[in-house]
Amino acid sequence: GENVEQHPSTLSVQEGDSAVIKCTYSDSASNYFPWYKQELGKGPQLIIDIRSNVGEKKDQRIAVTLNKTAKHFSLHITETQPEDSAVYFCAASIQGGSQGNLIFGKGTKLSVKP
Amino acid sequence: DGGITQSPKYLFRKEGQNVTLSCEQNLNHDAMYWYRQDPGQGLRLIYYSQIVNDFQKGDIAEGYSVSREKKESFPLTVTSAQKNPTAFYLCASSPEFSYNEQFFGPGTRLTVL
Repeated sequence: GENVEQHPSTLSVQEGDSAVIKCTYSDSASNYFPWYKQELGKGPQLIIDIRSNVGEKKDQRIAVTLNKTAKHFSLHITETQPEDSAVYFCAASIQGGSQGNLIFGKGTKLSVKP
Repeated sequence: DGGITQSPKYLFRKEGQNVTLSCEQNLNHDAMYWYRQDPGQGLRLIYYSQIVNDFQKGDIAEGYSVSREKKESFPLTVTSAQKNPTAFYLCASSPEFSYNEQFFGPGTRLTVL
């Protein structure tokens, strides 16, 4: 089955710097890759996602890149702010089939220091 | 407001007791999911339901049970057979199984004493 590895497990940056979180997946059939942000004591919220027919997607300060050949995808946050501090999860799934469950990475705790 | 609600936020139970966690959605979504989250771990799938009166086991279903009698409700029962039930439980829903993003509720933190 699918396995998703996420690195690093913790990341500390200064306000204004960029942050990059990387994930690899094992099943080449996976075609949907969302990123979730989870604040303390709350449920995860989708912040951006990408499908396998696209190599990059941006939304203001957030971008995601996908390399299907290498089976890895990354989250990029530019001009980080203290409110970006949270745990970020990547996930992978095979959408459109019988095995459409999301497989999550173990998360990255991002701390943005003012 | 549309969304997913989970109640209660915090739940305490004595060892050996069954406990049911509530999950309700008014998004008219067909699919619903239950995940377990432990510190430093990702989300692990317990059960999912593609449609009313249907549900399937996820990766860690042992010691848990669910029902899906109504489209908007997907309660999870943590039974006494679950060896390590203390965790943060998250419910999610999506318009269709396997086609759309999942929307998460606020979670229930269960502590078994």
